[in-house]
Amino acid sequence: EAQVTQNPRYLITVTGKKLTVTCSQNMNHEYMSWYRQDPGLGLRQIYYSMNVEVTDKGDVPEGYKVSRKEKRNFPLILESPSPNQTSLYFCATRGYSTDTQYFGPGTRLTVL
Amino acid sequence: QQQVKQSPQSLIVQKGGISIINCAYENTAFDYFPWYQQFPGKGPALLIAIRPDVSEKKEGRFTISFNKSAKQFSLHIMDSQPGDSATYFCAASSQGGSEKLVFGKGTKLTVNP
Repeated sequence: EAQVTQNPRYLITVTGKKLTVTCSQNMNHEYMSWYRQDPGLGLRQIYYSMNVEVTDKGDVPEGYKVSRKEKRNFPLILESPSPNQTSLYFCATRGYSTDTQYFGPGTRLTVL
Repeated sequence: QQQVKQSPQSLIVQKGGISIINCAYENTAFDYFPWYQQFPGKGPALLIAIRPDVSEKKEGRFTISFNKSAKQFSLHIMDSQPGDSATYFCAASSQGGSEKLVFGKGTKLTVNP
């Protein structure tokens, strides 16, 4: 079954405590992206990756890092989380030969 | 700068009615226009998409109308059903060598029985 998995699904943390949200896909997709969704703002792209070791900034990259060491994984790293990073985060993947992005189930992050 | 403007923010229709959601874009380099449907607690899922070489695309009860000269596109849901109640997002991208996808702010659709 084609899947995009995110972990954890829910996380409450405190300001400044480094955290990583993992994203994994089993579809051998080249493209992966991270989005954040906030009420009234829709989805905004944080970072995207065209393939292993190839990443680029989206519209709201400040305060985030990513890495793409393996094709299937694209973790999102918050080195020093702040309350304004409280949001719902989605990972998405797309294969080279298709236009369709497949979204994961989301990670709800609260930074106190 | 919002590159894709979506309206209305919310929409209430009766069962069997037509739901219409509109989007406008500014970047003429955009060449792919998807619509996503999102149910509460779930990730967005692709509903239907169009490229600018056609003016309309229909899949079942869902139709995208595209007006290249006006830089507008819209989603029409015919015979709307309560199960269509969800948030709908339009999006746009220029996929020549990039993976940047820009979303509208979303429309919350409620279909009353």
